[in-house]
Amino acid sequence: DADVTQTPRNRITKTGKRIMLECSQTKGHDRMYWYRQDPGLGLRLIYYSFDVKDINKGEISDGYSVSRQAQAKFSLSLESAIPNQTALYFCATSERLAGAPGELFFGEGSRLTVL
Amino acid sequence: AQKITQTQPGMFVQEKEAVTLDCTYDTSDPSYGLFWYKQPSSGEMIFLIYQGSYDQQNATEGRYSLNFQKARKSANLVISASQLGDSAMYFCAMSETNTGNQFYFGTGTSLTVIP
Repeated sequence: DADVTQTPRNRITKTGKRIMLECSQTKGHDRMYWYRQDPGLGLRLIYYSFDVKDINKGEISDGYSVSRQAQAKFSLSLESAIPNQTALYFCATSERLAGAPGELFFGEGSRLTVL
Repeated sequence: AQKITQTQPGMFVQEKEAVTLDCTYDTSDPSYGLFWYKQPSSGEMIFLIYQGSYDQQNATEGRYSLNFQKARKSANLVISASQLGDSAMYFCAMSETNTGNQFYFGTGTSLTVIP
């Protein structure tokens, strides 16, 4: 089983619908992240959380919200999906290390299409 | 200003040859980490190599090495003896300690290995 699991892996929805992408991890990491990937733009940070009570906006948080239900679970919601939110979404985790950043561990991605 | 710049949208290399993928970064934090990830056509993000800002030697992992030039703020990935399976997108990323270890990604380089 994957250490970082995203559901659903693929989703097609319509404009205006609410959609939730879920992420769970078995790595025991405190830090969790949501990124979106668009062709030619790389990965852009939507939200991140360094523990259950800590939620922070990334560079492109408008139109998104998140919930950190537990250390192992971090979900991303699109309250009213729009076509330009069509993208590949990644959840990632990292470990808090003293004096050095730990690498990101990624889920397999969730491909979202908004019609 | 871009934190991570990858100026090569696409690169070609002959099988068994070496290739260098460029990455420059921008930070005023003396403590940071630099990462390279590979994304094959299947979409998953695979961690390749890490370089810490205080590391004296260039990082190496098998056929991957990181040419770290701190004064020039560059962290180029060198792949030796290219294989067909190296064809993928490659992303450079940075994490700064003073921003709580957010990760910033470049826009990626698409590498194609020619038989």
